[in-house]
Amino acid sequence: AQKITQTQPGMFVQEKEAVTLDCTYDTSDPSYGLFWYKQPSSGEMIFLIYQGSYDQQNATEGRYSLNFQKARKSANLVISASQLGDSAMYFCARANTGGFKTIFGAGTRLFVKA
Amino acid sequence: DVKVTQSSRYLVKRTGEKVFLECVQDMDHENMFWYRQDPGLGLRLIYFSYDVKMKEKGDIPEGYSVSREKKERFSLILESASTNQTSMYLCASSLIGRDSGSPLHFGNGTRLTVT
Repeated sequence: AQKITQTQPGMFVQEKEAVTLDCTYDTSDPSYGLFWYKQPSSGEMIFLIYQGSYDQQNATEGRYSLNFQKARKSANLVISASQLGDSAMYFCARANTGGFKTIFGAGTRLFVKA
Repeated sequence: DVKVTQSSRYLVKRTGEKVFLECVQDMDHENMFWYRQDPGLGLRLIYFSYDVKMKEKGDIPEGYSVSREKKERFSLILESASTNQTSMYLCASSLIGRDSGSPLHFGNGTRLTVT
């Protein structure tokens, strides 16, 4: 089965520093979408950012940016100026065309230190 | 704002019982999904549906079935619950994206314990 790989089960970052969460994926679809979601300890899933496979520019949303390297099949999330509230699980996900099938990686737990 | 509602937050069932998990969304989304979330494994797709009465298997459909009789409602059925189905179950919905760009909207989850 096609899968999403997040190689960092847990990461620590100092408050106000930037952090990169890694994500690689495999796919045979010519068109697909890549997403990052945040899951705080409350359990809700929060959509952060989206990158389309044909987008030329890397996506940005406030302090979040997605470092998309299509040839390497990687879609790393960069969080700038980390805040204590960024402590959470982060999931990378890939959807095929139409969003019909969205699969997730195992997640990275981020700890932000004061 | 899209609301995805799962009928139960916590559920305890006995081995062998038939279990229904219900999910309703209020934004006319075409796609609906059922995932289970286990520590270290992330979210694994059980089934998804892109239209009424349509369903597709995800990566771990064994032991589960689904029903989508109305666009807003997507039910997950455990035909005969087993202890290895103890998990957090998440329902989600999304629009059919022109270019797969529609994010998922999640319910709050149902924590199912099978004893």
